[in-house]
Amino acid sequence: NAGVTQTPKFQVLKTGQSMTLQCAQDMNHNSMYWYRQDPGMGLRLIYYSASEGTTDKGEVPNGYNVSRLNKREFSLRLESAAPSQTSVYFCASSVQREAYNEQFFGPGTRLTVL
Amino acid sequence: GDSVTQMEGPVTLSEEAFLTINCTYTATGYPSLFWYVQYPGEGLQLLLKATKADDKGSNKGFEATYRKETTSFHLEKGSVQVSDSAVYFCALTRGDSNYQLIWGAGTKLIIKP
Repeated sequence: NAGVTQTPKFQVLKTGQSMTLQCAQDMNHNSMYWYRQDPGMGLRLIYYSASEGTTDKGEVPNGYNVSRLNKREFSLRLESAAPSQTSVYFCASSVQREAYNEQFFGPGTRLTVL
Repeated sequence: GDSVTQMEGPVTLSEEAFLTINCTYTATGYPSLFWYVQYPGEGLQLLLKATKADDKGSNKGFEATYRKETTSFHLEKGSVQVSDSAVYFCALTRGDSNYQLIWGAGTKLIIKP
């Protein structure tokens, strides 16, 4: 049981390049998320998908697009990378417990945009 | 809007010391409160939670009590170990969504042997 997996672990891009961050979960969760983590700012939600076939913007969606490919996979695309997108990106999935929602995180992708 | 404020780190303690990491929040309604932990090189994982006022969450020797009167959810542990070195995040559920979380900035904890 791998949980939430992300690829790649590290990436360096030049300004204007594009790339897709991949995420997959094997826990049969309906909801999936993409966050970015910046120093001193905690996690900020980029996009989320409450269920297969739906996606919604989070707090900081500009410059990103997502695809919920199937129940397992949720990808994040940067069409034209900018230095402001240098960050650590986390994918998560979640399960509804009796009285709360628990999120499970991947190990993260460290992205540097030059 | 809803927000979470955590004490700034890093917090450096000796092994077996008492730990407190402060967390206060601003929220409408009655959010659930969480502490997540991020060990070096890993993703975040749920440490403990509390879903209503006066609830005490506990796990792995850590505790936190949901205090509505002081809007706080401070993390405590009586005797820390080197293996507790990590970054700790306080979070709450967003008022209009059970599954979206509002996150604190994180507090890095360093335990020296």
